[in-house]
Amino acid sequence: DAGVTQSPTHLIKTRGQQVTLRCSPISGHKSVSWYQQVLGQGPQFIFQYYEKEERGRGNFPDRFSARQFPNYSSELNVNALLLGDSALYLCASSLDRALSTDTQYFGPGTRLTVL
Amino acid sequence: DAKTTQPPSMDCAEGRAANLPCNHSTISGNEYVYWYRQIHSQGPQYIIHGLKNNETNEMASLIITEDRKSSTLILPHATLRDTAVYYCIVLITAGNKLTFGGGTRVLVKP
Repeated sequence: DAGVTQSPTHLIKTRGQQVTLRCSPISGHKSVSWYQQVLGQGPQFIFQYYEKEERGRGNFPDRFSARQFPNYSSELNVNALLLGDSALYLCASSLDRALSTDTQYFGPGTRLTVL
Repeated sequence: DAKTTQPPSMDCAEGRAANLPCNHSTISGNEYVYWYRQIHSQGPQYIIHGLKNNETNEMASLIITEDRKSSTLILPHATLRDTAVYYCIVLITAGNKLTFGGGTRVLVKP
């Protein structure tokens, strides 16, 4: 089975632009979470979606938004990009957020560079 | 979710066992201990998790103390490909958000 896939792999944008990152979860997984990892730090939670509804949000500004589609894939949108948004954006999927032993599996990430 | 404390770095000789400690003294009875690792510039990789019993899989073993205030991840025969940052995370269910700390940067040397 294919793991979590993300596209694009790398992306370069300029300040003020908007970006859309995409994630396809493992087949059968209904929950998708997004994380931001700035260089030298651990990943930071941005959003979690389950059954197309937002179920959790981290401490990120409203410039960050996401959605989940009926096939459980997801998009992360960031508007009005700042230099500080440069990071590795990670997507993770899990079967069901309510399961006590559920495990999140991560994709390879999208490297966003804002110039 | 309970906080965790890990040493910032450690070295290990190739072929030897690597023992990675993690303190989680405020862990609650229904919180699990999860371990992930992240090889440079890749997405975090799930390794193992446990509640109170010791666990073993093809990658590693997890030893949780009886009071559950600390745990040790054991890589039985470290290889150069095990060089990575290892994160110990405590949470009620992995379906919820993962809170990554600083992790332990493990360098496996020939």
